[in-house]
Amino acid sequence: DIQMTQSPSSLSASVGDRVTITCRASQSISSYLNWYQQKPGKAPKLLIYAASSLQSGAPSRFSGTGSGTDFTLTISSLQPEDFATYYCQQSYGTPFTFGPGTKVDIK
Amino acid sequence: QVQLQESGPGLVKPSQTLSLTCTVSGGSISSGGYYWSWIRQHPGKGLEWIGYIYYSGSTYYNPSLKSRVTISVDTSKNQFSLKLSSVTAADTAVYYCARDGVVTATRVFDYWGQGTLVTVSS
Repeated sequence: DIQMTQSPSSLSASVGDRVTITCRASQSISSYLNWYQQKPGKAPKLLIYAASSLQSGAPSRFSGTGSGTDFTLTISSLQPEDFATYYCQQSYGTPFTFGPGTKVDIK
Repeated sequence: QVQLQESGPGLVKPSQTLSLTCTVSGGSISSGGYYWSWIRQHPGKGLEWIGYIYYSGSTYYNPSLKSRVTISVDTSKNQFSLKLSSVTAADTAVYYCARDGVVTATRVFDYWGQGTLVTVSS
């Protein structure tokens, strides 16, 4: 299985801050990397697919970069509704696997 | 707008079989073009993909659960189902169904059910 890691596991930030989350795959996954946002008690929501493509309806302050093994999710200006847990997920090969998540909370 | 809704018992006894159904609305499973997946999340933990089914009935299961998992589809009811046998407390989780699509050659979970908590306890 392809193992996914994320850093940091949690972070505290203020509204307006620029936030960057890193995801690393245990082997090259090209650009087959997706990002999801999950709020407490809710299902995950697709934000970014294919490493850098913004899902329809997702705010443009979210962006993704990377290829191979190293990827980043950036929130350019953190908004109150962005406090959540973010997961990366590889779709390069089955079984599909997720990172352990990064919780973004209020500073 | 595609919507998915999980249903099934919230409490299952150890060693028994967990059974859940996902009802899809706003789109037809039999139209093809999408896979239909089950994903679970242990309390306070990350996400684990269980497996998928295509409308034709072809399946793929996560090897970590393969010996205990069966996913089936009923296109007449626009539903797909999960059965997990010989459950233990370690199977206590929120179970999600999700549409598993292909966008620019990338598989994505683009629509999710709200999730249902299944507790394994006697």
